[in-house]
Amino acid sequence: AQSVAQPEDQVNVAEGNPLTVKCTYSVSGNPYLFWYVQYPNRGLQFLLKYITGDNLVKGSYGFEAEFNKSQTSFHLKKPSALVSDSALYFCAGPSEDYKLSFGAGTTVTVRA
Amino acid sequence: DTGVSQDPRHKITKRGQNVTFRCDPISEHNRLYWYRQTLGQGPEFLTYFQNEAQLEKSRLLSDRFSAERPKGSFSTLEIQRTEQGDSAMYLCASSSDYFGGVFGPGTRLTVL
Repeated sequence: AQSVAQPEDQVNVAEGNPLTVKCTYSVSGNPYLFWYVQYPNRGLQFLLKYITGDNLVKGSYGFEAEFNKSQTSFHLKKPSALVSDSALYFCAGPSEDYKLSFGAGTTVTVRA
Repeated sequence: DTGVSQDPRHKITKRGQNVTFRCDPISEHNRLYWYRQTLGQGPEFLTYFQNEAQLEKSRLLSDRFSAERPKGSFSTLEIQRTEQGDSAMYLCASSSDYFGGVFGPGTRLTVL
């Protein structure tokens, strides 16, 4: 079984600055980790996933995430944030083989 | 469109009425999931199908809820005798493997 946590409810950054959204996990075996983004009144859009392999995972819209086993973290990053990146971000991992357990979400606001 | 679709996108109903939602998954995906998301929270797992077989129901799914996936294609989620606490976004996702899933846009239910 696996669980994830997002320690920050909100992240505020200026456009053009680096964006980091934090996620930590706990798992008894190999971790499988995902990031999704949700815009207002919309469903979840897949950004990226870590299954195995390189610790730096590249995803959609210029996002990437770094898997850090020693810190049990999977932080989402973007080198230069855009106003259009303002949304709700969810980290997730399988609680059992076939269903996802989501973090509580982090609201990202990018100011112009 | 090759994504996951859900219908309707919005549903307003009076307490005590029955409602039914439909999800059309990506055609080659044999796994289909229903999640519920309340305001400010991450999605919570409701139920899961592999082909036409419903393999698990969350304890969140009371007896008033029923889901079907006839012939392993589209799925329906019915809520009988709706209550105000059922107000939420109902999300459908499909996948071809154990990892993650593609989400639909969701059905937002408001029970008055």
